Amino acid sequence: EIVMTQTPLSSPVTLGQPASISCSSSQSLVHSDGNTYLSWLQQRPGQPPRLLIYKISNRFSGVPDRFSGSGAETDFTLKISKVEAADVGVYYCMQATQFPRTFGQGTKLEIK
Amino acid sequence: QVQLQESGPGLVKPSETLSLTCSVSGGSVSSDYWSWIRVPPGKRPEWIGYLYHGGSPSYNPSLKSPISISLDASKNLFSLVLTSVTAADTAVYYCARYSATTQTPDNWGQGTLVSVSS
Repeated sequence: EIVMTQTPLSSPVTLGQPASISCSSSQSLVHSDGNTYLSWLQQRPGQPPRLLIYKISNRFSGVPDRFSGSGAETDFTLKISKVEAADVGVYYCMQATQFPRTFGQGTKLEIK
Repeated sequence: QVQLQESGPGLVKPSETLSLTCSVSGGSVSSDYWSWIRVPPGKRPEWIGYLYHGGSPSYNPSLKSPISISLDASKNLFSLVLTSVTAADTAVYYCARYSATTQTPDNWGQGTLVSVSS
């Protein structure tokens, strides 16, 4: 199965400053249909995960444009342009190119 | 907005069967894919599997306990059954709608903690 690795595991950020999380996969995530199925999810404390970004860079409905995704093949990045208090939580990348779907180990975003 | 709610026992004994149900409102289990994901304590999320109405389920072959996911369109719910559970099956279990467009679970239940212990 594809192994997803995130860095850093913890990210203390000052309010209003940018944040960046990296995710790498053990194999290329380019599907035979030409799409790259890499998503980002946010899990706020006490809440279920929430979809933020799909297919590398597409924001899901209702997600603020402060969140953006980029990358290709095996290396991907989630960026938050200006961190707000509501962004605190754990962020996961997930691949859906191969079965079984697999997740990164999570990056905990906290406020300094 | 689709809403999902898990229900089931919070405690199961080792070697017994774990059964969870996910009730769906604001949508129909006769369309879309429906999935189960779990998060063991201190670990990353783990994909369990999904099912499309009228299709064959897809399960994670890495999971050690035998798995079954099924739909009940008459009650608009879907279910997860794990047999012969062990302590490794202790986790928060989430049901979610899995979107064919995003290829990601895009609507999640609140989750239910299941502990496997004697």
